[in-house]
Amino acid sequence: DAGVTQSPTHLIKTRGQQVTLRCSPKSGHDTVSWYQQALGQGPQFIFQYYEEEERQRGNFPDRFSGHQFPNYSSELNVNALLLGDSALYLCASSLSLRGRAEAFFGQGTRLTVV
Amino acid sequence: AQRVTQPEKLLSVFKGAPVELKCNYSYSGSPELFWYVQYSRQRLQLLLRHISRESIKGFTADLNKGETSFHLKKPFAQEEDSAMYYCALSVGSGGYQKVTFGTGTKLQVIP
Repeated sequence: DAGVTQSPTHLIKTRGQQVTLRCSPKSGHDTVSWYQQALGQGPQFIFQYYEEEERQRGNFPDRFSGHQFPNYSSELNVNALLLGDSALYLCASSLSLRGRAEAFFGQGTRLTVV
Repeated sequence: AQRVTQPEKLLSVFKGAPVELKCNYSYSGSPELFWYVQYSRQRLQLLLRHISRESIKGFTADLNKGETSFHLKKPFAQEEDSAMYYCALSVGSGGYQKVTFGTGTKLQVIP
């Protein structure tokens, strides 16, 4: 089991562009969460997807959107990129049947906006 | 809204000394608390959770609802404990969870 995999590992975009990040959950997991981790900060919750719907959302603008596919993989989309969107984006997966389950994290995608 | 506070950005201790990483939270309901650890060049991983009341790698953490704290402790620090430690609070359940992380504490164990 490869665990949670994210692609790409690094990405450079220009301000105003749009970006899509991808995540494959750990085998058997059905829930995916996305986090933004700025330098020197803890991960900040963006949203959680379960049954292909956004179920919980953190304090992020509508420029941040996502999708979950029938195979449980997920995408994070960010529109109209700002310099402040530069961060490490983490994906985590968990199993909904386990209640408040632990999250398994991917290695992250480092996004740099120039 | 929930909040997690880790007051120390950096904690340096000598090998063999006791360790206490502080975590305070604010939430009006019944949260679940976790400690996650990130070793150098590795991904974030679960260390322990309050509901299991386990001791992992010699670490323990007790939930104190009166003081709204979930401090992480180890009686004797080892060099391999050097890492970033994040306290996290989860509300909701199943596919409807929302997790709030603290800003993290870097533990540096001096040989």
